[in-house]
Amino acid sequence: EDKVVQSPLSLVVHEGDTVTLNCSYEVTNFRSLLWYKQEKKAPTFLFMLTSSGIEKKSGRLSSILDKKELFSILNITATQTGDSAVYLCAVEAYNAGNMLTFGGGTRLMVKP
Amino acid sequence: DGGITQSPKYLFRKEGQNVTLSCEQNLNHDAMYWYRQDPGQGLRLIYYSQIVNDFQKGDIAEGYSVSREKKESFPLTVTSAQKNPTAFYLCASSAPPQPQHFGDGTRLSIL
Repeated sequence: EDKVVQSPLSLVVHEGDTVTLNCSYEVTNFRSLLWYKQEKKAPTFLFMLTSSGIEKKSGRLSSILDKKELFSILNITATQTGDSAVYLCAVEAYNAGNMLTFGGGTRLMVKP
Repeated sequence: DGGITQSPKYLFRKEGQNVTLSCEQNLNHDAMYWYRQDPGQGLRLIYYSQIVNDFQKGDIAEGYSVSREKKESFPLTVTSAQKNPTAFYLCASSAPPQPQHFGDGTRLSIL
């Protein structure tokens, strides 16, 4: 059975801090790993990672995948209150109809 | 604007009642999905459909049913057999291998 574990469960930081969120996985026939940000409602897509060692970057957010050690990290630099959200990690397997297996999420709170 | 529309935003179910959650997309995506999210937890897959008139059970399909008669629509029925239906329900669609996009969800509670 595919499995995704995120840590920490929750995190409280102050504006300007840098945070690192972790995602480890076990999946048969790995295809990709995805990061989503969920505020009140719909998760919004952040990154899709398929290759080891290649950093994806979008503004203050970046993510990297290690397919040998089976984990990914999501970094947020110079955090802002608008970064407060639940961050979800999910993995997709080949021959699985594009289905995603999600981790439990990391709840990030950024204080002014 | 293209997107995924879920309705209603809030829904209340009485004992023994079936309720149906709507999900419509105008993104021309072939694949659609239903997830359940419980407080403080990640998303769990209920059902998915890769093409019209075909769908498969996900990890927690018991007590739920779906149909896919049109490409743009994938309604979910929560039946009276689902004994713990209180949750946040999210619908998603995708054009594989592109990532899934989500609707704003329906929050279901028991009266």
